[in-house]
Amino acid sequence: EAEVAQSPRYKITEKSQAVAFWCDPISGHATLYWYRQILGQGPELLVQFQDESVVDDSQLPKDRFSAERLKGVDSTLKIQPAELGDSAMYLCASSLHRGIQETQYFGPGTRLLVL
Amino acid sequence: DQQVKQNSPSLSVQEGRISILNCDYTNSMFDYFLWYKKYPAEGPTFLISISSIKDKNEDGRFTVFLNKSAKHLSLHIVPSQPGDSAVYFCAASGGATNKLIFGTGTLLAVQP
Repeated sequence: EAEVAQSPRYKITEKSQAVAFWCDPISGHATLYWYRQILGQGPELLVQFQDESVVDDSQLPKDRFSAERLKGVDSTLKIQPAELGDSAMYLCASSLHRGIQETQYFGPGTRLLVL
Repeated sequence: DQQVKQNSPSLSVQEGRISILNCDYTNSMFDYFLWYKKYPAEGPTFLISISSIKDKNEDGRFTVFLNKSAKHLSLHIVPSQPGDSAVYFCAASGGATNKLIFGTGTLLAVQP
């Protein structure tokens, strides 16, 4: 069964350092999403890609976060510099199309701890 | 302003009995609803979905009911099994975007 791949699974860093997360969506899925889940809350969308283009980054803290999907396949999410409040689970999801009522499939996530 | 609400943080049921998880929403533009199951340290796993043109969708032991007038949906699991113990998230999307809005989750514990 096809799955969304993410790495690393766990990351510990010190505040002010740079961190990067990688995601490889299900093969053939055109739409890719990055979510952040803080403990005790539901996931919240950070950025959405359609192929290589950003279609929604309204909730991405652009002063420190960046995301790219250069060839429209895998994607990288970067935080520089990391802050204590960035400690969370970072989830990647993909869907076949961008269209409405498309089911999103999630990867295992990257748990980030900022010290 | 929380658009998707799961008011029960936790639920405990006996193995073999029915589990009913509830979800309320406020945005009338939502037209697609999903349930995800999440184990600790793993990503959410898709369980079942329902479009707003339906009021019920069934898949094996899982059934989702949608009451549009009440802006309420529920997930029924029958019979409940210990392996069903996890956090269940309700999510909704609608309008011109496929952006999912999640509830805060309900921790289900199925006792053997």
